[in-house]
Amino acid sequence: GNSVTQMEGPVTLSEEAFLTINCTYTATGYPSLFWYVQYPGEGLQLLLKATKADDKGSNKGFEATYRKETTSFHLEKGSVQVSDSAVYFCALSPPGGDDKIIFGKGTRLHILP
Amino acid sequence: DARVTQTPRDKVTEMGQEVTMRCQPILGHNTVFWYRQTMKQGLELLAYFRNRAPLDDSGMPKDRFSAEMPDATLATLKIQPSEPRDSAVYFCASGSSSLADNEQFFGPGTRLTVL
Repeated sequence: GNSVTQMEGPVTLSEEAFLTINCTYTATGYPSLFWYVQYPGEGLQLLLKATKADDKGSNKGFEATYRKETTSFHLEKGSVQVSDSAVYFCALSPPGGDDKIIFGKGTRLHILP
Repeated sequence: DARVTQTPRDKVTEMGQEVTMRCQPILGHNTVFWYRQTMKQGLELLAYFRNRAPLDDSGMPKDRFSAEMPDATLATLKIQPSEPRDSAVYFCASGSSSLADNEQFFGPGTRLTVL
């Protein structure tokens, strides 16, 4: 079946550090891939997405590349800020007309000033 | 700008009481999802609708939970009777099945506390 596995948190970094949050997926065919972010007290919001292999999604300094060969969609940012502290969810949308999105368990990120 | 709205934002109630949560999806969206988020279980899909028809409610405890869409602008999630283990944040999300990637747009959530 379809599933998403992402690294366990919490992840604690100092401001301006390099960030990587690993995400791998299992799916048949070519799913769409997403990273959602949840700031404290808010709902999830889309951070970036990629819909086909080798696509790179980017937003707010974050990037992730759709790697079909390794079934991965790792989230990266070159220099994190305190305001990036949040929970990050990797997710996939299976191909073939299913409306549902499969979410990972989320990774909590703490950025220290 | 277009947003999913949810009411109430916070609800504190006593065990055994009925709770109704409401969601207004983004105008023009035809899919609506209800999720529950707890520290222990994370994000769980409770139910979802397409064009107001319930397509999957397998994640919902049937004996006490019910979800409906009386019209295209309103989705409701009802718990009767409520129990302390129902304490969680409940999110509504909407989307459009005409979009190729099925992006979902989340509301701010209803934080439910059952005493």
